[in-house]
Amino acid sequence: GIQVEQSPPDLILQEGANSTLRCNFSDSVNNLQWFHQNPWGQLINLFYIPSGTKQNGRLSATTVATERYSLLYISSSQTTDSGVYFCAVKDSGYALNFGKGTSLLVTP
Amino acid sequence: NAGVMQNPRHLVRRRGQEARLRCSPMKGHSHVYWYRQLPEEGLKFMVYLQKENIIDESGMPKERFSAEFPKEGPSILRIQQVVRGDSAAYFCASKGQGSQPQHFGDGTRLSIL
Repeated sequence: GIQVEQSPPDLILQEGANSTLRCNFSDSVNNLQWFHQNPWGQLINLFYIPSGTKQNGRLSATTVATERYSLLYISSSQTTDSGVYFCAVKDSGYALNFGKGTSLLVTP
Repeated sequence: NAGVMQNPRHLVRRRGQEARLRCSPMKGHSHVYWYRQLPEEGLKFMVYLQKENIIDESGMPKERFSAEFPKEGPSILRIQQVVRGDSAAYFCASKGQGSQPQHFGDGTRLSIL
């Protein structure tokens, strides 16, 4: 099946800093989603972005499908951004394939 | 405009009992997916259903696990004779027709004593 690698695995930021999270995938995809899993375990949809660039407030994402990667940008980070960020992709099958996530801790 | 609803949020069972997890998809969605998240891991696909049909169950364990999505009512994930290794968070997602994102519920945390 399709492989999904996320980097870095762990990240510690001071409040106000910016960061870039990366997702590499091994094959062509027709769906790519970014999620934030908060400390309560809820999975929050951030972006549906099989290609192109999108922005939502302090967050933005870019997927370069031809080069098989996606980037999630977090600007002016806040403590509430802490949690695990997952990239998930779907090829021609039915299921989303999740990476192992980037665990982010934003300190005051 | 309710999202994907899962219940219960937390479920505690003793070894050997049955666990039933429910999922009501978003209004207008006819595609339902179940995923399992073991501690400190990402989500793994289990099964994909449409109304009254199992489309892909390639991620389901061969024994003790079953899923259904009846014509009326929620989708059910059923685990018989639970064991300690079944302790996990179980997430349900739903999707509309065509190229749409999957929307996830808040999950059911299953603990086996």
